[in-house]
Amino acid sequence: DTAVSQTPKYLVTQMGNDKSIKCEQNLGHDTMYWYKQDSKKFLKIMFSYNNKELIINETVPNRFSPKSPDKAHLNLHINSLELGDSAVYFCASSLLTGGIDFGPGTRLTVT
Amino acid sequence: DAKTTQPTSMDCAEGRAANLPCNHSTISGNEYVYWYRQIHSQGPQYIIHGLKNNETNEMASLIITEDRKSSTLILPHATLRDTAVYYCIVTSTSGTYKYIFGTGTRLKVLA
Repeated sequence: DTAVSQTPKYLVTQMGNDKSIKCEQNLGHDTMYWYKQDSKKFLKIMFSYNNKELIINETVPNRFSPKSPDKAHLNLHINSLELGDSAVYFCASSLLTGGIDFGPGTRLTVT
Repeated sequence: DAKTTQPTSMDCAEGRAANLPCNHSTISGNEYVYWYRQIHSQGPQYIIHGLKNNETNEMASLIITEDRKSSTLILPHATLRDTAVYYCIVTSTSGTYKYIFGTGTRLKVLA
């Protein structure tokens, strides 16, 4: 019974393609996040949604578009992929007050 | 930017207590101290959090100084499986808040 799940786990694609990563949580949390961890292992917040409303957008290129169809899902769509987008992307969720739970990550490799 | 500073790395002998320090001198009155750890490239895992009182759970203890400008995470009997990167995070639980990860401390438990 995975709390925060992401698909796919691995994603290899070519420059210029468009791809999506899906995230689902079954914890009843009202806030969801996307983080990016690059090769230097820095973990940086990208977006946060609370009750399907965008509340944090951390200077992310507009090629990245999060979509939250409901409170339990936050998907990440990336257009025109670039080499620098290669990283591990983590989805996470929390109640508005409380610790956050992370998913297992999606390792994206752009060639 | 992260509001915390931590040593880059630490070693600890197996079975001994691991004491991981964190400085957060600009912490505000409504901000909590959270600790997470990341093993290999897995999703970060919640350990413990506190506001001003010391806290203990099945994983660790958290000691927060009286002025709240620093804290120490204590793993009472470190095992090899505790080898990980440990992140100290300061975050508010009012209004728009976010978890900003710093560079963390890479703890290596030695046999």
